[in-house]
Amino acid sequence: GQNIDQPTEMTATEGAIVQINCTYQTSGFNGLFWYQQHAGEAPTFLSYNVLDGLEEKGRFSSFLSRSKGYSYLLLKELQMKDSASYLCAVLDSNYQLIWGAGTKLIIKP
Amino acid sequence: TAGITQAPTSQILAAGRSMTLRCTQDMRHNAMYWYRQDLGLGLRLIHYSNTAGTTGKGEVPDGYSVSRANTDDFPLTLASAVPSQTSVYFCASSDSPGGTDGSGANVLTFGAGSRLTVL
Repeated sequence: GQNIDQPTEMTATEGAIVQINCTYQTSGFNGLFWYQQHAGEAPTFLSYNVLDGLEEKGRFSSFLSRSKGYSYLLLKELQMKDSASYLCAVLDSNYQLIWGAGTKLIIKP
Repeated sequence: TAGITQAPTSQILAAGRSMTLRCTQDMRHNAMYWYRQDLGLGLRLIHYSNTAGTTGKGEVPDGYSVSRANTDDFPLTLASAVPSQTSVYFCASSDSPGGTDGSGANVLTFGAGSRLTVL
């Protein structure tokens, strides 16, 4: 079966750095997405990786290793507004998105 | 502001009753999707439509039906609601169905969600 694993919850301090990991086992691979979802709101797109390596976008970076079935989202200079759930999703060989359950990130002052 | 509008925002429904969740987008996106989100689980695809006039079944289609009469509207109907259909429902759309577009990313735009409770 297809599976996406992420930690359920993480806690970090304002101003610090946090890395949210995602491992996947899917039928084929056509890209990996990270979405941010604030409580009670809709998910919004953060990043997309299809090739190995690091993609940087401001305070957020996303890394992919296809051979290891692994990705991480790195958040720097954490702000209170970064408190949210972070969803990892993989586009499989049928171009269907397979979603992880999400990681709830709690930022403490 | 362009985007996706879902209605209702929340609804309490008696088991056995029917219900239609409405979804309208103004971005002229080709593909539209219905997901349900339950605590501890990832988003699960119910039904999708790659273009107006076509629909397909997702991971959890039982008990739900959809139609896509035009580009903008993609309603989701529960014919006879059951308590296990209590969930938050998200409608989403994307410019290209499935695969990546020229920029390399098939990004989904989501509606604000509809919270449905079936008693």
